[in-house]
Amino acid sequence: DIQMTQSPSSLSASIGDRVTITCRASQGISNYLAWYQQKPGKAPKLLMYAASTLQSGVPSRFSGSGSGTDFTLTISSLQPEDVATYYCENYSSAPLFGGGTKVQIK
Amino acid sequence: QVQLVQSGAEVKKPGASVKVSCKASGYMFTGYHIHWVRQAPGQGLEWMGWINPNNGGAFYAQRFQGRVTMTSDTSSDTAYVELSSLISDDTAVYYCAKNNWFGGFDFWGQGTMVTVSS
Repeated sequence: DIQMTQSPSSLSASIGDRVTITCRASQGISNYLAWYQQKPGKAPKLLMYAASTLQSGVPSRFSGSGSGTDFTLTISSLQPEDVATYYCENYSSAPLFGGGTKVQIK
Repeated sequence: QVQLVQSGAEVKKPGASVKVSCKASGYMFTGYHIHWVRQAPGQGLEWMGWINPNNGGAFYAQRFQGRVTMTSDTSSDTAYVELSSLISDDTAVYYCAKNNWFGGFDFWGQGTMVTVSS
């Protein structure tokens, strides 16, 4: 079975910082990867699909890259409203989520 | 606009069953799979399976097979998930989500808290 490993599990950064979250698949999944943002008490929100395609309405400070086994989600300039937990999801076969990365403001 | 509205919170005893509904609006219900994802308190997201409202076909995650049933009613544009033989570890928020044909889940229900407690 494919495993999805996210890192770090949490991070603190300052407003305006560039933030990078990594998701690694235990075997190649092409670009069948999505990213979600989840705020406390809310449902997840789709940010990105096909590894690098921005979902409609998502701010352009979010970007995604990668293919095969290694993927990144980047926030180019962290904003207060970006405080959330971020999940990657592999949909090359049965959907599987990474463990999540909690992003906080320093 | 697309909306998925779920049924309210449930409290069940161990061994019982629970059925959660998800009413869709704002799009063609039969055109997209509905997936179910759950989240235990303080934990990550766990995919449970999908239902194809067009033909009623379903596919379940291996760990739930034999214990989960997903159905849909096209007359009311509503999807359902039923989980049986509940244990305390089934305590979680259960979400329905609409499939995005290009990848991922683009719309989610608000979540339904299911508590299993004696």
